[in-house]
Amino acid sequence: AQSVSQHNHHVILSEAASLELGCNYSYGGTVNLFWYVQYPGQHLQLLLKYFSGDPLVKGIKGFEAEFIKSKFSFNLRKPSVQWSDTAEYFCAASSGSARQLTFGSGTQLTVLP
Amino acid sequence: EAGVAQSPRYKIIEKRQSVAFWCNPISGHATLYWYQQILGQGPKLLIQFQNNGVVDDSQLPKDRFSAERLKGVDSTLKIQPAKLEDSAVYLCASSLVVRLAGPYEQYFGPGTRLTVT
Repeated sequence: AQSVSQHNHHVILSEAASLELGCNYSYGGTVNLFWYVQYPGQHLQLLLKYFSGDPLVKGIKGFEAEFIKSKFSFNLRKPSVQWSDTAEYFCAASSGSARQLTFGSGTQLTVLP
Repeated sequence: EAGVAQSPRYKIIEKRQSVAFWCNPISGHATLYWYQQILGQGPKLLIQFQNNGVVDDSQLPKDRFSAERLKGVDSTLKIQPAKLEDSAVYLCASSLVVRLAGPYEQYFGPGTRLTVT
């Protein structure tokens, strides 16, 4: 069965620290990958997405993610986090022709001022 | 551009009661999704509509859950009768149909937080 794993449930960082959140997927064939973010009290919103092409994807607010096919990974990174990055982050995936998203369980990021 | 609208935002009911949630997608979005998000988990797809037809309802507990999108625009998700384990946030999302296969983005509504006591 298709699945998405996020192994870090809660990450606590100080401002200006670097961030890397892990995401691994289990899919056969072509895969589309996404990172969504949910700020406190707000909707889920898209941070970035990978469909094809350059495996290093840049998103909003200085986030980026790298698709490594050999490792079935799509880790999210940010070189210097801010207090406003405190949120829950979800990795999601779909197969090439399907639109249904499978989400990971999420990682709660807390950035201390 | 108006986002995905959902109502109510919060609902508390007793087990065995029924409840309905409403969703209005972004104008022009042909595809509509309902997700269930239990505390501590990621959203799980319940049902997907393309216009007013069901594309995938394989994870919908059909003995108690039903959904419709009669005119291909707004949608209603119903639970009858509710169980304690239905306590969750119910998210609605919509997306354009750019082409039959390929890239798309789902836009999410604020969700309805359901508590079953």
